[in-house]
Amino acid sequence: ELKVEQNPLFLSMQEGKNYTIYCNYSTTSDRLYWYRQDPGKSLESLFVLLSNGAVKQEGRLMASLDTKARLSTLHITAAVHDLSATYFCAVDLDSNYQLIWGAGTKLIIKP
Amino acid sequence: DTAVSQTPKYLVTQMGNDKSIKCEQNLGHDTMYWYKQDSKKFLKIMFSYNNKELIINETVPNRFSPKSPDKAHLNLHINSLELGDSAVYFCASSLPGFNYGYTFGSGTRLTVV
Repeated sequence: ELKVEQNPLFLSMQEGKNYTIYCNYSTTSDRLYWYRQDPGKSLESLFVLLSNGAVKQEGRLMASLDTKARLSTLHITAAVHDLSATYFCAVDLDSNYQLIWGAGTKLIIKP
Repeated sequence: DTAVSQTPKYLVTQMGNDKSIKCEQNLGHDTMYWYKQDSKKFLKIMFSYNNKELIINETVPNRFSPKSPDKAHLNLHINSLELGDSAVYFCASSLPGFNYGYTFGSGTRLTVV
C-alpha cells in the first residue's frame, strides 16, 4: 500500500526566511504533484514532477523529485506572507487514475 | 470560463435527508473524481469515472452514489445523510496520463445537523 508522508505538518516562519517541506512516499513512483490550498478555497496545482531529478520553479517556490530516495521537496525562498497556505503533495499510483495524498503542510508566514 | 464548477457551494441539511451535488467541467477532460476533505484537511478519494465508466469506487457507504450522464458531468447523490458526512466535497477532472495533474472545483461544504 502506497503511503505518502509530509513533514512538517505545520510550519510557522518569518518573512524572508527559507524553508523546505518534505514529501516521502513508500512505493516506486515517478509522478508527483504539489498543490496549494488557501483557507476555505479549492486546490490549485503548483508543480507536476514526472521523472527522477525533475526540478521546477515558480517564483519563490521550487520543487524537486528524487525517485530513488522516494522523496520530493518543496523549497521556499525568502518567504512572503502571500505564501501562507496548506501545501499538499500527491503521488500517482501507477496509472490507476488515483493519486495518494499527503496530509498537507499548513504554512503560516508572519510579517 | 473554462473550469470545473460545482453546485451548490454550501449545503446545510438535516440528518436523514437526501441531497445531490452537481459537477461539470468544460475542459474536455476524460476523467472526473469526487474527493472528501474532512475537518483535518485530509483528502480521500471516493469515486472516479473515465468517459462515464466507473473506475474507482473506494470504500464509502453505499448511501453515496455517483452518476455520470456524460464525460463532462459527474454528480454525487447522498441518501440518508448522517452527521459524519459533514465535510467539504471536491470534484476534480484530469486528462489521461496525469501529465497535468488535476483541476479541482471550488468545493461544496456540506453540513449535516
